Amino acid sequence: AQSVTQLGSHVSVSEGALVLLRCNYSSSVPPYLFWYVQYPNQGLQLLLKYTSAATLVKGINGFEAEFKKSETSFHLTKPSAHMSDAAEYFCAVSAHLQGAQKLVFGQGTRLTINP
Amino acid sequence: DAGVTQSPTHLIKTRGQHVTLRCSPISGHKSVSWYQQVLGQGPQFIFQYYEKEERGRGNFPDRFSARQFPNYSSELNVNALLLGDSALYLCASSAALRPQETQYFGPGTRLLVL
Repeated sequence: AQSVTQLGSHVSVSEGALVLLRCNYSSSVPPYLFWYVQYPNQGLQLLLKYTSAATLVKGINGFEAEFKKSETSFHLTKPSAHMSDAAEYFCAVSAHLQGAQKLVFGQGTRLTINP
Repeated sequence: DAGVTQSPTHLIKTRGQHVTLRCSPISGHKSVSWYQQVLGQGPQFIFQYYEKEERGRGNFPDRFSARQFPNYSSELNVNALLLGDSALYLCASSAALRPQETQYFGPGTRLLVL
């Protein structure tokens, strides 16, 4: 069964600093991986996704993630944090269930930006 | 183009009541999925519908049911509400059932059961 683990439920960085949010996956088949962001009292917005086309994936708002099969990781990074990046971030893997394609989410990482 | 829409935005119910949540997918999308997000956790899969047929169900009791209409909108019904059903209910739509397909989420319905 597919699963993801997000290391660190809360990450705090200074404005302008590097953002690194960690995600490790478990999958018996080649995975499709996603990063979503959730701002307070809102739904989830797709940041980027890995579909095996390229190991380095660029997303919106300056975020990118690198798929590393040897490390079963898909960490999210941004070179320079902005105050508007403060939100909850979820890593997810696509999993097959009966005839459905569902997303299996991690527990989330709350990112705080210090001025 | 409009994104995924959900109604109502907030709802307060008491234990034992029934609730119906509604979702309209992005135009042209034939798949609708429902997720439950309890405070402080990641979303959990409840149902997926495609072309008006249930394609999968997560680990939720039979009190939870759903359906998809000919216009691809969907309803999630929860009977005999429990305190533990308090959560943000998210609807997501996608164009197809491929594993690499992006699921686009609505703003959610926040349900509080007292």
